[in-house]
Amino acid sequence: GENVGLHLPTLSVQEGDNSIINCAYSNSASDYFIWYKQESGKGPQFIIDIRSNMDKRQGQRVTVLLNKTVKHLSLQIAATQPGDSAVYFCAESGNTGNQFYFGTGTSLTVIP
Amino acid sequence: DAGVTQSPTHLIKTRGQHVTLRCSPISGHKSVSWYQQVLGQGPQFIFQYYEKEERGRGNFPDRFSARQFPNYSSELNVNALLLGDSALYLCASSRQVVEEKLFFGSGTQLSVL
Repeated sequence: GENVGLHLPTLSVQEGDNSIINCAYSNSASDYFIWYKQESGKGPQFIIDIRSNMDKRQGQRVTVLLNKTVKHLSLQIAATQPGDSAVYFCAESGNTGNQFYFGTGTSLTVIP
Repeated sequence: DAGVTQSPTHLIKTRGQHVTLRCSPISGHKSVSWYQQVLGQGPQFIFQYYEKEERGRGNFPDRFSARQFPNYSSELNVNALLLGDSALYLCASSRQVVEEKLFFGSGTQLSVL
């Protein structure tokens, strides 16, 4: 399988600060990446995606950066809120079908 | 519109038993995928079905099988349950067969005793 890993298993930030969650991937042929948020007792929720022909994509309060040279992906959350507390996963497309490889996840805790 | 629905939400089985998990995709989605999520880890791909055909299989033993019905709903079957099969089983749907975001259900929490 693919090696989709995260640099930090846990992250704590003050409410209102910006959060950055990092992810490393190993398959240079992967061309589609997704960030998911998972709250306790729920399934992963789509946040934002990016294809390999882009290096940056912005959503509402979130930005994903893709550095194909070093095979690195990051998720930036602006003005982090208590509701952002969750586990965040990056997912990398596989070689067949709509299969994705998920990292271990980063647990984000927002301190009020 | 309803999201991806899974049943049951929780299940307790004993070793050696068989289990069937069910999933209904979002209306209009033809692809259904199954993932296993062990506590503290990311989801791991088990199967993908599209238009009732298997389009991908992860590194799981033959005790795991699945199928997709004409209405695009799906079942995941696991035979001869082992303690290590205890996990959250997630179903996800998408419109297309390749490289499109997955929409996940809340999962079935399976405990094998």
